[in-house]
Amino acid sequence: NAGVTQTPKFRILKIGQSMTLQCTQDMNHNYMYWYRQDPGMGLKLIYYSVGAGITDKGEVPNGYNVSRSTTEDFPLRLELAAPSQTSVYFCASSRGLAGGGYNEQFFGPGTRLTVL
Amino acid sequence: TQLLEQSPQFLSIQEGENLTVYCNSSSVFSSLQWYRQEPGEGPVLLVTVVTGGEVKKLKRLTFQFGDARKDSSLHITAAQTGDTGLYLCYAGTASKLTFGTGTRLQVTL
Repeated sequence: NAGVTQTPKFRILKIGQSMTLQCTQDMNHNYMYWYRQDPGMGLKLIYYSVGAGITDKGEVPNGYNVSRSTTEDFPLRLELAAPSQTSVYFCASSRGLAGGGYNEQFFGPGTRLTVL
Repeated sequence: TQLLEQSPQFLSIQEGENLTVYCNSSSVFSSLQWYRQEPGEGPVLLVTVVTGGEVKKLKRLTFQFGDARKDSSLHITAAQTGDTGLYLCYAGTASKLTFGTGTRLQVTL
């Protein structure tokens, strides 16, 4: 099993450009999450999904969009990139909702994004 | 307002020393998790605690969940250089899922 995979690993964008960060998991998990981690900081939840076709906002959703058409994939879309979106983005998945009981989040390796 | 506050924010110690990291909140949680993140990687789960007052041990790491289920601590005995990393607590309510502010630990020889 590959677990959670993310592409690309690194990306540099110019202000105003758009891009999609890809995330795929092969564990048949219902729940998937997108976090951002600014330098030296903890992780902040952007969006999460409880299953195909269902998504919900996290703590910092502005400037991002998500979709969940399949159980495996949970892409994150950045529209009109801004320098404030420079960060490392982590995708995660879990069998049940993280924060409830023993549900463990499995993280991908991250995408390092710089907006200049 | 941060739901989960961790202290200290940074900790630099020598190998062999003991340390304690705290995760505090004003909210009550049904469970709380501790993750460790190494540079360039995603967080990895260390432990989940679900019962007030619960103590769990993982080799040299001891985790405790507060009696009121609002706080937790992580104690490391005889720290090693391999313990270096960012330690994050994680908890959630029905409306909010959140990581703590993080404690960055540096263990040197």
